[in-house]
Amino acid sequence: EPEVTQTPSHQVTQMGQEVILRCVPISNHLYFYWYRQILGQKVEFLVSFYNNEISEKSEIFDDQFSVERPDGSNFTLKIRSTKLEDSAMYFCASSGGPDTTHEQYFGPGTRLTVT
Amino acid sequence: GESVGLHLPTLSVQEGDNSIINCAYSNSASDYFIWYKQESGKGPQFIIDIRSNMDKRQGQRVTVLLNKTVKHLSLQIAATQPGDSAVYFCAENTYSGGGADGLTFGKGTHLIIQP
Repeated sequence: EPEVTQTPSHQVTQMGQEVILRCVPISNHLYFYWYRQILGQKVEFLVSFYNNEISEKSEIFDDQFSVERPDGSNFTLKIRSTKLEDSAMYFCASSGGPDTTHEQYFGPGTRLTVT
Repeated sequence: GESVGLHLPTLSVQEGDNSIINCAYSNSASDYFIWYKQESGKGPQFIIDIRSNMDKRQGQRVTVLLNKTVKHLSLQIAATQPGDSAVYFCAENTYSGGGADGLTFGKGTHLIIQP
């Protein structure tokens, strides 16, 4: 069964450093998403991406964040200058497209620890 | 270390019993609702969805009920098994958005299955 994959599973970084979280969405999907989950809290939407541009973003997704689809398979989330409060699980998700099910499939997540 | 974060509502049921998990939503414009299951250390896993033109939908051992009048969603799990132990989140968005809309997640309920 196709699945969303994410690397690394755990990333430790120092405050102020840049991090790039990587995702490989399901191959025939057209919509891509990033979410985050602070420990013990609910999952929060960050950004959605379609047709090589951002479709929607939340208030959390400020200028420190960016997304990119550098090739036909990868989807990345970059945090330019990490803060302590960026520590969270980051989930990538993908879904089929406008004429298919809206079901979003989530990856296993990357745990980001900012020290 | 000390755990920081919101205390999740907890539902404890005996193995083999039925369970009902409830969720309230606030956005009247939402017309697509989903239940996700999240096991410890994993990403959210799709269980079942329902669109606002329906009030009930059944899957394998699961039923979702939607009451648009009071903005209430519930997930019924029949004959619970140990593998059903997890945190369950409801999520919502607007189906008419074409699939690019981010999901808004609820706070989650921790379901514990007692042997």
